[in-house]
Amino acid sequence: NAGVTQTPKFRILKIGQSMTLQCTQDMNHNYMYWYRQDPGMGLKLIYYSVGAGITDKGEVPNGYNVSRSTTEDFPLRLELAAPSQTSVYFCASSRDGRGPLHFGNGTRLTVT
Amino acid sequence: QKEVEQNSGPLSVPEGAIASLNCTYSDRGSQSFFWYRQYSGKSPELIMFIYSNGDKEDGRFTAQLNKASQYVSLLIRDSQPSDSATYLCAVKDPNFGNEKLTFGTGTRLTIIP
Repeated sequence: NAGVTQTPKFRILKIGQSMTLQCTQDMNHNYMYWYRQDPGMGLKLIYYSVGAGITDKGEVPNGYNVSRSTTEDFPLRLELAAPSQTSVYFCASSRDGRGPLHFGNGTRLTVT
Repeated sequence: QKEVEQNSGPLSVPEGAIASLNCTYSDRGSQSFFWYRQYSGKSPELIMFIYSNGDKEDGRFTAQLNKASQYVSLLIRDSQPSDSATYLCAVKDPNFGNEKLTFGTGTRLTIIP
């Protein structure tokens, strides 16, 4: 039982490049979330999904896009990377949207 | 803007002592409170959650809610070096699900052997 799996673990991007952060879960959870965590700051919600085909913006969605074509996968797309997107990104899932979050191991992204 | 505040620490506690971490929240209507532990370079993991109907104990961990003063505490008894981590408090908007979960910035706890 892998839980929530994120790839890659680390990535360095140049300004203006694009990339996709992958997230997959094998717990059959309907709810999935993308957070970013900056040093000294709390986790901020970027996007979330309540089920396949349904996504919605969180607190800090600008510069990101998501899709949810299957229950298992919830990729996060960065277009035109900026230094302000340097952060640690966590994907999470929950069974019913109100219960505890299960986090992936995170992706550490640096934009230079 | 709903706020959750924590003292960033570091909080240093001798091994075997009680570690007490606090978290204040701004929304008086909040009813769900979560404590996550995050080791350096790792992802957060849930260790405790309580609802507004009472305190909760789980092994060495106790979560307490003071609704009048709008703070929630996490007590760790018999502190162990393995408890050294950052503890994140999270508070949920009572009218929404996890999409309205607000995290504090975390308190860094160090247990001194």
